[in-house]
Amino acid sequence: DQQVKQNSPSLSVQEGRISILNCDYTNSMFDYFLWYKKYPAEGPTFLISISSIKDKNEDGRFTVFLNKSAKHLSLHIVPSQPGDSAVYFCAASYTGTASKLTFGTGTRLQVTL
Amino acid sequence: DAGVTQSPTHLIKTRGQQVTLRCSPKSGHDTVSWYQQALGQGPQFIFQYYEEEERQRGNFPDRFSGHQFPNYSSELNVNALLLGDSALYLCASSLTGGPWSPLHFGNGTRLTVT
Repeated sequence: DQQVKQNSPSLSVQEGRISILNCDYTNSMFDYFLWYKKYPAEGPTFLISISSIKDKNEDGRFTVFLNKSAKHLSLHIVPSQPGDSAVYFCAASYTGTASKLTFGTGTRLQVTL
Repeated sequence: DAGVTQSPTHLIKTRGQQVTLRCSPKSGHDTVSWYQQALGQGPQFIFQYYEEEERQRGNFPDRFSGHQFPNYSSELNVNALLLGDSALYLCASSLTGGPWSPLHFGNGTRLTVT
């Protein structure tokens, strides 16, 4: 049972445009959500997170939106840069299990010149 | 400041063999978690070690076991290897009891079972 889903395996965006990566979850007990970025031959690196008490969190070019009623979150990257090309994983956890993240299958973002 | 380090980076084993993977957490971290990432999938939680004890476990068989040492480093052991155990094994560290911080991952050990 895939509790965190990323339905788009890949996304191609032009440099300077907005990248929107989507994630859906089914477990209503999740109350913390994170995005990780992964380059080949490296481990995932933390990008941005959001608590279920918020509906938006910004950090520079990255913004995460959370829609609890739809059990949906999205990551916006504006403007997209070639160095953003990587696999992006959505992950979720619930209170008391911060080390136990449930990951989606990832979306490969390619930012073209 | 050293991040999470894992060894070896690559490993090839035969079905039925046993393997041990090693992890040193980021400086200042006391909790180690292990994840398995199969090809085309997201990482899946195996277990977490804190104060030298297994604290949480994911849906993995008893063939997967671990250990945490007094210096917080950790080992993941897999017995009776199956072809399906071929994957990238990721170690992540964190600090329990401190202010929230995200998991820091190592670069992983690529295990191939033939």
